[in-house]
Amino acid sequence: ETGVTQTPRHLVMGMTNKKSLKCEQHLGHNAMYWYKQSAKKPLELMFVYSLEERVENNSVPSRFSPECPNSSHLFLHLHTLQPEDSALYLCASSPSGTPSSSYNEQFFGPGTRLTVL
Amino acid sequence: LAKTTQPISMDSYEGQEVNITCSHNNIATNDYITWYQQFPSQGPRFIIQGYKTKVTNEVASLFIPADRKSSTLSLPRVSLSDTAVYYCLVGRYNQGGKLIFGQGTELSVKP
Repeated sequence: ETGVTQTPRHLVMGMTNKKSLKCEQHLGHNAMYWYKQSAKKPLELMFVYSLEERVENNSVPSRFSPECPNSSHLFLHLHTLQPEDSALYLCASSPSGTPSSSYNEQFFGPGTRLTVL
Repeated sequence: LAKTTQPISMDSYEGQEVNITCSHNNIATNDYITWYQQFPSQGPRFIIQGYKTKVTNEVASLFIPADRKSSTLSLPRVSLSDTAVYYCLVGRYNQGGKLIFGQGTELSVKP
């Protein structure tokens, strides 16, 4: 148990569906992250939020829309996905995500296994 | 961010010491070296971090030579539960906490 929870753990959706992934951290951290991990590929950083502001967006397609209403919650809204978007989506948090911060360890949730049909 | 190179896979047996070496030839002065562990269908977990020489915690040791162009993660007396992917990361973590993961090393521990 890392203090970062994700729901749902598994999700199957069609290409025309709209769904959302939820992440919640109970660690009092100020930064939250979304990563994508496709089969046999390294983790890819998608979005970084620091103090509820998006500070990083790694050229992610617009069919992925993040939302960070407060420092404890992070959402990833999904719409009109493609089969190649099937992957493990991981959320992480760290004490700080600002450029001036020193190293901080990231704490990962268990992930949501997404399958797009 | 410095590029890292690790073996894709390693095999070991229970009770053995496992050493995983990571190359990072273009490591910068302010870069730290960090290792994460990931079990199947779980998120990565921080194992250890170091800057130079040797760092040890309850899980592993990290050896970093003087030139810092490589590092070795040492897992003492592995068990079946140490079967996982191990990632070596190098970076100045004052860059907004950005972590760049490579392919990692898939360690398989056999009975």
